[in-house]
Amino acid sequence: EPEVTQTPSHQVTQMGQEVILRCVPISNHLYFYWYRQILGQKVEFLVSFYNNEISEKSEIFDDQFSVERPDGSNFTLKIRSTKLEDSAMYFCASSDRGSSYEQYFGPGTRLTVT
Amino acid sequence: AQTVTQSQPEMSVQEAETVTLSCTYDTSESDYYLFWYKQPPSRQMILVIRQEAYKQQNATENRFSVNFQKAAKSFSLKISDSQLGDAAMYFCAYRSSGTYKYIFGTGTRLKVLA
Repeated sequence: EPEVTQTPSHQVTQMGQEVILRCVPISNHLYFYWYRQILGQKVEFLVSFYNNEISEKSEIFDDQFSVERPDGSNFTLKIRSTKLEDSAMYFCASSDRGSSYEQYFGPGTRLTVT
Repeated sequence: AQTVTQSQPEMSVQEAETVTLSCTYDTSESDYYLFWYKQPPSRQMILVIRQEAYKQQNATENRFSVNFQKAAKSFSLKISDSQLGDAAMYFCAYRSSGTYKYIFGTGTRLKVLA
């Protein structure tokens, strides 16, 4: 069965550095998402992406964040200048045009900012 | 703003027994979708079951069924004949029909005792 994959599984970075988290959505999916989960807290929506543009974003998704689909298979989340509070698990998801827009999640990237 | 509440941080069930996980939500919308996702340890979230708010009939998927009470804004998950492989974190999620984002509860960790 097709799966969403994410790399790396764990990323450690220093405060102020830029990081890029990578995702490969399911191949025939058209909608892409990023969520994050700070340790002990809820999974929170960051952004949705369709037709090469952001379709929705949360208040968390400020100017330090950006998303891109650089080619036909990858979907990336860039954090420009990481802060300690960006430490979290980041989940990528994708969906097709199904009636309920069920989202398929990747295993997550654990980002640790020191 | 919509919220999702899972009041049981942890539940235990004996193998082969039945367990019910609770979820309540708050919304002023009339058209929305509800989901239960399962996250085994170190694995991605996978969809267990979904419910469209306009459907009165409760969704079922093999041993998994929901009790959807729209007026009470309640969406509980019943797992029958529990198996060791059911041990996981279970997340309840809400999505309004006019948006892409999921709103998650804090999760319930289910332990299955042999």
